[in-house]
Amino acid sequence: QVQLQQWGAGLLKPSETLSLTCAVYGGSFSGYYWSCIRQPPGKGLEWIGEINHSGSTSYNPSLKSRVTISVDTSKNQFSLRLRSVTAADTAVYYCARVVLGASRRYDYWGQGTLVTVSS
Amino acid sequence: DIQLTQSPSFLSASVGDRVTITCRASQGISSYLAWYQQKPGKAPKLLIYVASTLQSGVPPRFSGSGSGTEFTLTISSLQPEDFATYYCQQLNSYPLTFGGGTKVEIK
Repeated sequence: QVQLQQWGAGLLKPSETLSLTCAVYGGSFSGYYWSCIRQPPGKGLEWIGEINHSGSTSYNPSLKSRVTISVDTSKNQFSLRLRSVTAADTAVYYCARVVLGASRRYDYWGQGTLVTVSS
Repeated sequence: DIQLTQSPSFLSASVGDRVTITCRASQGISSYLAWYQQKPGKAPKLLIYVASTLQSGVPPRFSGSGSGTEFTLTISSLQPEDFATYYCQQLNSYPLTFGGGTKVEIK
């Protein structure tokens, strides 16, 4: 059974850096892409970006200048860093597994981490 | 970016009702569309991928159809556990995008 367990600081001040780590348990790590998505309170889902096991990334252009997603294959983990946060970055942040190819889909998700940005 | 427009944004229905949600893409996305169900305080759950393939473990009352720019999610007989918010997602091109959501509530 695949599980994604995520953790990170829940309260940040403006201008700080958001850090989120997702650990993958069960299943292959190298055979998939890994993604981060966020959801502001009461709003819809926003795709942040994806990474594969070799470190190849794609980012949402709206966040690209502030985002880094990295991978640690030795620990089956990937991490999100979002720099210079503001109140607009307040959201629940999710990590997810991406199945590639013709049946592309996001099939397993982490439990979500609420990150609040407030002075 | 590809915009996904879901309709309706809110739906009130009764147990046993047939429910249809539409997702329209601003440009063609072939069949690279997925549907997710989200309940309050929980992560989205995959229901349908490549427009019409049912994810393992999802009840067959859920079905999806469409290709190109117009897609539908149908629940053939609404059950109490189906009251939730539903999102479509396009996986055809970056940046990946989601629809605005359809909240299904009890009538």
